[in-house]
Amino acid sequence: EAGVAQSPRYKIIEKRQSVAFWCNPISGHATLYWYQQILGQGPKLLIQFQNNGVVDDSQLPKDRFSAERLKGVDSTLKIQPAKLEDSAVYLCASSLGGLPSSYEQYFGPGTRLTVT
Amino acid sequence: DAKTTQPNSMESNEEEPVHLPCNHSTISGTDYIHWYRQLPSQGPEYVIHGLTSNVNNRMASLAIAEDRKSSTLILHRATLRDAAVYYCILRVGMEYGNKLVFGAGTILRVKS
Repeated sequence: EAGVAQSPRYKIIEKRQSVAFWCNPISGHATLYWYQQILGQGPKLLIQFQNNGVVDDSQLPKDRFSAERLKGVDSTLKIQPAKLEDSAVYLCASSLGGLPSSYEQYFGPGTRLTVT
Repeated sequence: DAKTTQPNSMESNEEEPVHLPCNHSTISGTDYIHWYRQLPSQGPEYVIHGLTSNVNNRMASLAIAEDRKSSTLILHRATLRDAAVYYCILRVGMEYGNKLVFGAGTILRVKS
């Protein structure tokens, strides 16, 4: 079974530039998540999709971050404009979704973003 | 969100059992206890989960206290590949909120 795919794996940009990350979840997984992981911390959920609808985006900085999941499959996360504090690893995860809430999440390898 | 407390780091010798503790005194009746681990330069991976009873799988065992206010992840024979950050997480809610709220986790170091 193919895992969660993410690209690019690494990205270096200057502050105020824009960047986009792509995620392809495991086939058949209805729920898709984007997490931000700052060095030395645990991942923090940015947004959760159920199929192509947003379930939770309470911690997404909506003035600069946006995400979409067209057709309920793959997803993109965009930052525009980037700030120095956005330097982090961006992780995508997917799960079967729905009930029960015990379904495990499968994580991709992440995209390491460095903003200079 | 219900919170968990874990030691910052632990050390183990290779081939010996490891007991990773987690306190979750504010756990609610519908919260599942999940453990994930994150190897260096990788995304987190699922280890095990439970609700009330102790659980075993090929990776580890999960021992849950009777009052559910604490739990222990048990690695029966630590290997160098088990060196990782281990996260104890309470799965919030029973609806679509398959939400994982990560803390800082426990850094496990394994010595050969």
